[in-house]
Amino acid sequence: KQEVTQIPAALSVPEGENLVLNCSFTDSAIYNLQWFRQDPGKGLTSLLLIQSSQREQTSGRLNASLDKSSGRSTLYIAASQPGDSATYLCAVRYGNQFYFGTGTSLTVIP
Amino acid sequence: SAVISQKPSRDICQRGTSLTIQCQVDSQVTMMFWYRQQPGQSLTLIATANQGSEATYESGFVIDKFPISRPNLTFSTLTVSNMSPEDSSIYLCSVEETGQGTEAFFGQGTRLTVV
Repeated sequence: KQEVTQIPAALSVPEGENLVLNCSFTDSAIYNLQWFRQDPGKGLTSLLLIQSSQREQTSGRLNASLDKSSGRSTLYIAASQPGDSATYLCAVRYGNQFYFGTGTSLTVIP
Repeated sequence: SAVISQKPSRDICQRGTSLTIQCQVDSQVTMMFWYRQQPGQSLTLIATANQGSEATYESGFVIDKFPISRPNLTFSTLTVSNMSPEDSSIYLCSVEETGQGTEAFFGQGTRLTVV
């Protein structure tokens, strides 16, 4: 079974800081990797999609990188804001199967 | 990107009863997916629903407990039957779009509490 791990499980930072969330996966033969945001008790909002052939994707203050050989992806959030407080999930696709990490709960303190 | 409307957003139900969750998509999609997220856990796929055929269930999930309908290409329902407190979870429907790769989109989720 594929495993997707996210570290740290929780993170608290002051407003304005740049931060990095980590996602690791056991099998490098991925199809793509997707980062999501989840607010408490709510659904998932897609943030960034990285294809297996890509090294990074950017959207606004978010930048996601992918290193298949080491089985890692990072989500970089620049100039964090209190509105960024949420749980961030990474999901790795292998063929038709989607495997989710357990998420990193981020709190940005005003 | 696909817009998914899911109803209800939350509910508190008595054990032994059933709840039907609706999922409406603003475009036609071949497959719709139903996930469960138990408290403090990540997402687990319950089943994949194709229009015109029976849903395909993942290991550990059965049709009698989680019957699914897929009457057309924009709508699906998931019923949680004979509920127990262990069914308290967030239930999410999802679709995938293939453009520059296959991207998944999710509804707002249904937060179910069984008492």
